Amino acid sequence: NAGVTQTPKFQVLKTGQSMTLQCAQDMNHNSMYWYRQDPGMGLRLIYYSASEGTTDKGEVPNGYNVSRLNKREFSLRLESAAPSQTSVYFCASAESGRQETQYFGPGTRLLVL
Amino acid sequence: GENVEQHPSTLSVQEGDSAVIKCTYSDSASNYFPWYKQELGKRPQLIIDIRSNVGEKKDQRIAVTLNKTAKHFSLHITETQPEDSAVYFCAAGKTSYDKVIFGPGTSLSVIP
Repeated sequence: NAGVTQTPKFQVLKTGQSMTLQCAQDMNHNSMYWYRQDPGMGLRLIYYSASEGTTDKGEVPNGYNVSRLNKREFSLRLESAAPSQTSVYFCASAESGRQETQYFGPGTRLLVL
Repeated sequence: GENVEQHPSTLSVQEGDSAVIKCTYSDSASNYFPWYKQELGKRPQLIIDIRSNVGEKKDQRIAVTLNKTAKHFSLHITETQPEDSAVYFCAAGKTSYDKVIFGPGTSLSVIP
């Protein structure tokens, strides 16, 4: 089992460019999440998907969109990147219903110039 | 919505001493409280969690206590070792919703 995988590992964008961060899990989990991590601010939830076909906003959804493509994959899209979106992005997955452990991916480091 | 506060933001202890990290939450409906450890450059990993029907849980050198009335919970690490050095995050969530909100983290340094 690879667990939770994320691509790319690192990306540099110019302001206004768009990109999609990919996440996939092979644990047959129902729930998937996107977080951003900034120094001193912990992990802030951007969007989550409790099951295939559903998505909900988290704490900081502005400037992002998500797609739950199927049970395995949950992508995060930045339509017009801004320097304030420079961060480390983590995807996570969990079995839903009983608040099981969230398993995190290795993270994507994004720099917006 | 839920708001989770965490103290202290940094903590230094001598090897062998105990470390305590405290968190408070705002939503009385929260009933799931996990703790994650994140080593430098690595992903967060669950170390222990507690549910609202339990007041205390222990796993070797790690224990967590929960006071639902006061809406706070704490992580206790005994006999600290250098490999305990990391950032620790608390979180709070509800079983009826599939998300948790994280605290800002505590950077723990264990000095040999």
